[in-house]
Amino acid sequence: DAKTTQPPSMDCAEGRAANLPCNHSTISGNEYVYWYRQIHSQGPQYIIHGLKNNETNEMASLIITEDRKSSTLILPHATLRDTAVYYCIVRVERGSTLGRLYFGRGTQLTVWP
Amino acid sequence: DAGVIQSPRHEVTEMGQEVTLRCKPISGHNSLFWYRQTMMRGLELLIYFNNNVPIDDSGMPEDRFSAKMPNASFSTLKIQPSEPRDSAVYFCASSFGIGYGYTFGSGTRLTVV
Repeated sequence: DAKTTQPPSMDCAEGRAANLPCNHSTISGNEYVYWYRQIHSQGPQYIIHGLKNNETNEMASLIITEDRKSSTLILPHATLRDTAVYYCIVRVERGSTLGRLYFGRGTQLTVWP
Repeated sequence: DAGVIQSPRHEVTEMGQEVTLRCKPISGHNSLFWYRQTMMRGLELLIYFNNNVPIDDSGMPEDRFSAKMPNASFSTLKIQPSEPRDSAVYFCASSFGIGYGYTFGSGTRLTVV
């Protein structure tokens, strides 16, 4: 599986957009980019995923570069409840590695008032 | 939907004792995953099932660990005998299948003394 690189920590003012970067320079053509977050003492929570095109849902937007070597998760209006560790993961959707998600260390996002 | 249900939430046991962790996935989900989280190693995939069949158990640390999924609505992770280094938070997650995110349970915090 392709590995991802994320900054260990970031902070953001409440109400502002939080832009979390992720590098996945060895990503393969059939690997999806997934984002999860983990609020302290809770299980990880699915946020969004995509393959090539940009994606948006009620939680966030995912911007994937044209060469697919990096992506950015955008929380448009961060709140204090968005303080969490954010994981960027690439996952093969077919073949022997079907289904597995490998979590790295993620980015600790702190939203301050 | 109650989500993925894990029990117990907390377990404290003595070294050498058998420990059984339980998981009820979301109804209709056909994939189930067991993860372990520690400060040192982060989130590690232990094993996952598709349609109740174990697909990949390469993450199971030792023969002391075993997992079963007797039906679509129940899975267990057993450690026998337990050791202090097994202390961690164990998460269960389920998924509808390809292209869908995982839903994690709240975890079981295991302490082996």
